[in-house]
Amino acid sequence: EVQLLESGGDFVQPGGSLRLSCEASGFSLNTYAVSWVRQAPGQGLEWVAGISINGGAPHYADSVRGRFIVSRDTSRNILLLQLNSLRVEDTAIYFCAKAQLGFNGCFQSWGQGTPVTVSS
Amino acid sequence: DIQMTQSPPSLSASVGDRVTITCRASQAVINHLAWFQQKPGEAPRSLIFGASNLQSGVPSRFSGSGSGTYFSLTISGLQPEDFATYYCQQYKFFPLTFGGGTKVE
Repeated sequence: EVQLLESGGDFVQPGGSLRLSCEASGFSLNTYAVSWVRQAPGQGLEWVAGISINGGAPHYADSVRGRFIVSRDTSRNILLLQLNSLRVEDTAIYFCAKAQLGFNGCFQSWGQGTPVTVSS
Repeated sequence: DIQMTQSPPSLSASVGDRVTITCRASQAVINHLAWFQQKPGEAPRSLIFGASNLQSGVPSRFSGSGSGTYFSLTISGLQPEDFATYYCQQYKFFPLTFGGGTKVE
């Protein structure tokens, strides 16, 4: 059974940093593309960053490029998201999502999310 | 970036109704279009991929159609558990983009 378990969300001041983790089970991060998707309070879904099937250069939304870094630890089967230079507008629930086999962004499974609050 | 425009933003419906939500892409995405359902406080649930293919376990009252730039999601015979917000998403190009959502209430 595929499971995704996010952790690391916290309350942080503007300009601060956080590292989010997504523990994957039931599949290998070597085989499937995975992404982070966020949802600000009362708002819709926003794709943030992802790693393609071939594990090549990660992709980022313009809103986070240069501040966030997505990576994967294949030995522990964990997806990571390093959040730097955090802004108030980064406040959201961060979900990790697994794509279907052979696709980079056709999401099939989702975690329950971890909340990030950026405020002074 | 590809813009995904959903309509309507919200709709009022009753149990048993047939409901249709549309999604328009600013550029052609072939059939690389997915639909998700989300209830308050929950993670999104994947409903449809490839514009018209149901994910495993999704009831057959859900159906999707379209290609290129125009897509739709239809719920035939709305059930109480279907009251939720629905999102479309294109996965043809990075950055991946979602529609703004349609709340069915």
